[in-house]
Amino acid sequence: QVQLHESGPGLVRPSETLSLTCTVSGGSVSKSDYYWNWIRQSPGKGLEWIGNIFYSGATNYNPSLKSRVTISVDTSRNQFSLELSSVTAADTAVYYCARTQVVVAARYFDIWGQGTLVAVSS
Amino acid sequence: DIQMTQSPSSLSASIGDRVTITCRASQGIRSYLNWYQQKPGKAPKLLIYAASNLQSGVPSRFSGGGSGTDFTLTISSLQPEDFATYYCQQSYNAPRTFGQGTNVEI
Repeated sequence: QVQLHESGPGLVRPSETLSLTCTVSGGSVSKSDYYWNWIRQSPGKGLEWIGNIFYSGATNYNPSLKSRVTISVDTSRNQFSLELSSVTAADTAVYYCARTQVVVAARYFDIWGQGTLVAVSS
Repeated sequence: DIQMTQSPSSLSASIGDRVTITCRASQGIRSYLNWYQQKPGKAPKLLIYAASNLQSGVPSRFSGGGSGTDFTLTISSLQPEDFATYYCQQSYNAPRTFGQGTNVEI
């Protein structure tokens, strides 16, 4: 079955760039059936959708974060990645990667990674 | 953005109780509403999609209803493993947004 696994630094300095990778196993990021998403969860803001990417590289971002976010896909490594620039303490959260289907009626997050905690602190 | 408001924010219940959680959208979202269960330290788990469809493997004591702006998640007979936080989420348009969560506790 398809599994997602996040990886990356657990601590990022303020004003620097947060970088995370999600590795997909048991399936392919190159399938045209799916979008690949980043979602974060913090005590202050709850669950927040950051954005997603299609295997072609087409992206959709949350307008609230759009100026700081880049999501990319590496089909050769079966991974997709998140970069969030100019981080502050407000970006401290558990970051999840998750899958949705392309079909409009099925755009729910059906598979999630286990999550990774990223703290922003000097 | 579409705002999702859940009520109550928390509730206390006993094993065997019937529990209903409400989710209200700030504008009509047809049936594009999903429900998730989250336990401490774990990722959310999809329970219900498109308002009333049970995800594969989810016990039949969970059910969802509603359309437009008002939705419900019902647990017909609460089991020990159901104590968790529940979230609604709209998939009508972007950005996808979640409710603030309902903590179901003993």
